[in-house]
Amino acid sequence: RKEVEQDPGPFNVPEGATVAFNCTYSNSASQSFFWYRQDCRKEPKLLMSVYSSGNEDGRFTAQLNRASQYISLLIRDSKLSDSATYLCVVNKGNYQLIWGAGTKLIIKP
Amino acid sequence: DGGITQSPKYLFRKEGQNVTLSCEQNLNHDAMYWYRQDPGQGLRLIYYSQIVNDFQKGDIAEGYSVSREKKESFPLTVTSAQKNPTAFYLCASSITSGGTDTQYFGPGTRLTVL
Repeated sequence: RKEVEQDPGPFNVPEGATVAFNCTYSNSASQSFFWYRQDCRKEPKLLMSVYSSGNEDGRFTAQLNRASQYISLLIRDSKLSDSATYLCVVNKGNYQLIWGAGTKLIIKP
Repeated sequence: DGGITQSPKYLFRKEGQNVTLSCEQNLNHDAMYWYRQDPGQGLRLIYYSQIVNDFQKGDIAEGYSVSREKKESFPLTVTSAQKNPTAFYLCASSITSGGTDTQYFGPGTRLTVL
């Protein structure tokens, strides 16, 4: 089993819709969680950190479920510019981040 | 502007050659990292450095070498011992290496072995 697993997609979603995807992790000692966004052939950029209480940044909401060991990302009122690959990242409790392979999202007009 | 630069953007190498990828940051970050990204896979850590003159192997260090002589610079050498070097190489930095700090990435270098 991979340490961090994501549905690779692609998720094809009409503009304006709400979309959500999850990421599961295997190490219950994991301390920190992040969502990064990566555009095609570009470097990853931090979208948001994921806190135990959940957090929201505009149209984006991230949730952490420690009991079931997954994090989620919800995007409301999706825009064409949201098309990208979303990378789930988990910290194992030390220096090292474990990266998921990403979920590809395509927003269609 | 503060940030991370990587050069070159594209690099072609013949089999058996060593190549060095440049990574420079002016963010005054202590920690720097090298990752490799292959299609359909997550980023994999090659080497990381927590401080000048110190670095540690990541998960896939074989066939690679690094140096950290200056805080701003963390070059990666891909040696001929690396069996499958064609990939997208990403350099990152963070304030510290505690794992909770945001990692900022350079634009990457695409290496192709001919």
